[in-house]
Amino acid sequence: LAKTTQPISMDSYEGQEVNITCSHNNIATNDYITWYQQFPSQGPRFIIQGYKTKVTNEVASLFIPADRKSSTLSLPRVSLSDTAVYYCLTVSGGYNKLIFGAGTRLAVHP
Amino acid sequence: SAVISQKPSRDICQRGTSLTIQCQVDSQVTMMFWYRQQPGQSLTLIATANQGSEATYESGFVIDKFPISRPNLTFSTLTVSNMSPEDSSIYLCSVEDPSSGSSETQYFGPGTRLLVL
Repeated sequence: LAKTTQPISMDSYEGQEVNITCSHNNIATNDYITWYQQFPSQGPRFIIQGYKTKVTNEVASLFIPADRKSSTLSLPRVSLSDTAVYYCLTVSGGYNKLIFGAGTRLAVHP
Repeated sequence: SAVISQKPSRDICQRGTSLTIQCQVDSQVTMMFWYRQQPGQSLTLIATANQGSEATYESGFVIDKFPISRPNLTFSTLTVSNMSPEDSSIYLCSVEDPSSGSSETQYFGPGTRLLVL
């Protein structure tokens, strides 16, 4: 499981696109990159997972360059309800542990 | 997906006592996990609980302090024993994705907020 590094906090305004970058220099060949979102007083919620290139779902997009040493979570047109902590994790295929780093605390302002 | 409930949602306890937290999931799952999240901090995995076997504890966590039961595929309990103020935290359970059996994607309960006086 590779150590991940991401900004401690970010601020944005409603309607803007937010990009949160995570570095995972020591990512292993069979590791996936996974992002979770945690609202205050709730458990984390899975957002998106990818291995390489780009993945998009109804919530976010995940961009992973060819060397896989970093990844960027992109939230299009954020709203106040996107205020949360976002965790970047690397997860080994078939391995059961999730190791959470410090996460990025995103504050969306009116 | 999976719907997970935890009881109690919160509690205030006296030091030296024990509290048992329940986790119920609406699907049968093999793997359940218990985490601790101290105020303003990230999550720390306490142990993994597979049905039919002893729980596997992470470094820094021991069975005497955090005994876990896993009687069936939809239920688990975590007991916080002989509590001290340092045990004040949010305790969360999570499960593997029941549709795929993958634990790369986990579903979390709402957490139990514990305050020890």
